[in-house]
Order: sequence, then C-alpha cells, then structure tokens
Amino acid sequence: GAVVSQHPSRVICKSGTSVKIECRSLDFQATTMFWYRQFPKKSLMLMATSNEGSKATYEQGVEKDKFLINHASLTLSTLTVTSAHPEDSSFYICSARNGETQYFGPGTRLLVL
Amino acid sequence: DAKTTQPPSMDCAEGRAANLPCNHSTISGNEYVYWYRQIHSQGPQYIIHGLKNNETNEMASLIITEDRKSSTLILPHATLRDTAVYYCIVRVALAGGFKTIFGAGTRLFVKA
Repeated sequence: GAVVSQHPSRVICKSGTSVKIECRSLDFQATTMFWYRQFPKKSLMLMATSNEGSKATYEQGVEKDKFLINHASLTLSTLTVTSAHPEDSSFYICSARNGETQYFGPGTRLLVL
Repeated sequence: DAKTTQPPSMDCAEGRAANLPCNHSTISGNEYVYWYRQIHSQGPQYIIHGLKNNETNEMASLIITEDRKSSTLILPHATLRDTAVYYCIVRVALAGGFKTIFGAGTRLFVKA
C-alpha cells in the first residue's frame, strides 16, 4: 500500500521552543494531507486539513497560530508547534489522501519539558 | 462528531474469527465505510472499505447490511498480532474532498 513517512519519530524540546514535524507521501502525490493528535488511550483528534498551495483548514478549537501548517509541495506537509508548552506533549499523526483512501504516517511523539 | 458507534472492547480466541460490529445509522447514500486499526504507539493502518457491497481482501472481510446502517469487520483467523484498536469510520464530505473523524473504536484483545 501507499507509504507515508513522518520525521522525526520522537522529539524532546524545552518549553518555549518551536518544533517542526514533517509528513511525506513517498510513492504518491497528495493534494490533501491531514494532521491529528492523540492523547494516551484516546482516539485520534483531527486538527487540520492541509491543502497543497492554499491555507490549511483548522478544526474548531485548534489554534492556527499555535499549530502552523505548510503544504508546500504535493509530497510534503509540515506542522510547526510554536512556543511549545508541556500541554502540547502528544502523539502527532499525519495522513495523506491517495484517491479515495487515506494512509497514515507512523506518528511523532512530542515531549515538551 | 464521529458518525459511528462501536463497542469499546472485545475478546477473541486466537485462530477464531473476530467479528467487529459498527453502527452508522445516519450514513448518507454516497458515503463509504472505512476500517482502520491502530496497534499501540503506531499510526493507523488501512484495512478495508466499502459502499454497499460486501468486500474482501487479504486482511479482512467487510459485511454491510442492506440498509447500510451497520457493518461488520471480520478477521477470519485472528492472531495475537491482530490485538489493536479498530476504528470504523464514515467520512465527512467537504467541498472538493473529505475529512475523516475517528470515534472511540473497539479495543480487540486476541487471546492465546
């Protein structure tokens, strides 16, 4: 099946710093990518829909200035957590749409100290 | 809001069939049913999807009722590695695309 990668797989940062997470579709072009976050033992929560060449669409309650999304090419979307705080610690998962099916990356575990 | 409801957990004996139910009573005529699973600390894995006909692939079978208000994912011979959270999803249409909203899923425990 289609492959989606994320980098880094895990990151630890100090409070107040910014962290960038990359999501790549490796064997297909994706005009639409999605970003989710997941807390322990909870389901995935959709944060935003990223469209290549246009602004991302954020879900209600997600701060667009806090979670910056850039979908600069058909194979790459980035999520930047700005001025990270401990409450931003979570598992961040991206996915990319290939036709009618959505494929998920392996996730990035962020720990903010 | 997720448009599906699933039991929170299920047990299955290794080697037996695992039948995971899902209710999606508000599904629209052109909406597909998708199944994903998530093994601990990994991203969700696509399993299967369908519109109204039953579907089968190398991983599972999907049985959709005639009124499309419910479906069942069948893992024909469950193994210990099938222990995971299984998500049944009906996608929400957007202009020019869709978005996928996850419900709570069913935590399947396959026991030896």
